[in-house]
Amino acid sequence: AQTVTQSQPEMSVQEAETVTLSCTYDTSESDYYLFWYKQPPSRQMILVIRQEAYKQQNATENRFSVNFQKAAKSFSLKISDSQLGDAAMYFCAYGRFDTGNQFYFGTGTSLTVIP
Amino acid sequence: EAGVAQSPRYKIIEKRQSVAFWCNPISGHATLYWYQQILGQGPKLLIQFQNNGVVDDSQLPKDRFSAERLKGVDSTLKIQPAKLEDSAVYLCASSTRSSGKNEQYFGPGTRLTVT
Repeated sequence: AQTVTQSQPEMSVQEAETVTLSCTYDTSESDYYLFWYKQPPSRQMILVIRQEAYKQQNATENRFSVNFQKAAKSFSLKISDSQLGDAAMYFCAYGRFDTGNQFYFGTGTSLTVIP
Repeated sequence: EAGVAQSPRYKIIEKRQSVAFWCNPISGHATLYWYQQILGQGPKLLIQFQNNGVVDDSQLPKDRFSAERLKGVDSTLKIQPAKLEDSAVYLCASSTRSSGKNEQYFGPGTRLTVT
């Protein structure tokens, strides 16, 4: 089974600074998706960014970007110009490419933004 | 577009009682997921439906948990009888492959406390 590891239970960043959250995964599949989800204290999980494994180019969404290293099975999230609203739990997720579209989540990283 | 709806938002019951959660996915989404999220952990898949059929229920404790999606739209997850260790947030998510994006959209969750 696929496993997703987030080795940083907690991270903090000063407002307007940059922070990187780490994620590694284990799989024998060649086609898959990777996601970062944000879960604020209100609990609603919100998609931050997605990456298709067959794409070499790293995904970007405004202040959010990823560093996808397929050979190393690494998928880190960089948040630039951090804002107070970025404070939340961040979950890395592996999505299978087949019809099941099953997700495997990491244990999450709690991000604190310091004013 | 309306998001994934869940009710109730909160539920407190005593152990050995029964409880039911309801989920209405985004219109047109064929795949529906129920997750259990214990405090401090990532979501764990309990059951996955494709239309009204079960794709995966390998992690559903079938002696006490049941779920149905009779008409392929909304779904109900039931616990009977509840145990203390069932205290968690129960998340519902839905997805569609027609968009080609494979991401899952989450509801706000139901926080269950078993006393």
